[in-house]
Amino acid sequence: DTAVSQTPKYLVTQMGNDKSIKCEQNLGHDTMYWYKQDSKKFLKIMFSYNNKELIINETVPNRFSPKSPDKAHLNLHINSLELGDSAVYFCASSQGDIPSYNEQFFGPGTRLTVL
Amino acid sequence: AQSVTQLDSHVSVSEGTPVLLRCNYSSSYSPSLFWYVQHPNKGLQLLLKYTSAATLVKGINGFEAEFKKSETSFHLTKPSAHMSDAAEYFCVVTAMDSSYKLIFGSGTRLLVRP
Repeated sequence: DTAVSQTPKYLVTQMGNDKSIKCEQNLGHDTMYWYKQDSKKFLKIMFSYNNKELIINETVPNRFSPKSPDKAHLNLHINSLELGDSAVYFCASSQGDIPSYNEQFFGPGTRLTVL
Repeated sequence: AQSVTQLDSHVSVSEGTPVLLRCNYSSSYSPSLFWYVQHPNKGLQLLLKYTSAATLVKGINGFEAEFKKSETSFHLTKPSAHMSDAAEYFCVVTAMDSSYKLIFGSGTRLLVRP
């Protein structure tokens, strides 16, 4: 049983296309996150949702739109894909939104390649 | 602003020898600090965390880290490396604004030689 799952695992697409990455967690957590890891392994938070409400929204282009239909799902939709969007995207979840108290559990990642 | 600096991008050790992965932090307040591990093609897993309790923190798989305020360091150690320890390790600090977001270091790749 995978705690945090992401689909697809790999995504190869052309510039200008629109794509979505799905994330589901079966841990009963109330907070979910999207992180971007670039080619140099640098990892940075993009968004965070707590009980389906957006609580962290970093300086991310408007082409990125997260959607949380329920507490167990946080999807990431990307419009007009650019070469610079190529990265590994990680979903994570936690019970509560304070890392000092609440461990974040990460999914396996989605490797997005924009050609 | 909070930040962490991982002093080595790569560390190579022989199996059975000690591991030392270095991390220095910058924070105006007493920070919460973490070490995460990422095995190849896998997500990140929490190794250990420091949250202003004991300065020597024990984690999973025999790893531990010591919080040293005077040196602003939070180095990760293990007495004896196993082949399975080969992975990328991230030192992480929490932001002290209301977001509490995790701020990641640049990572250290640990290579374990047979």
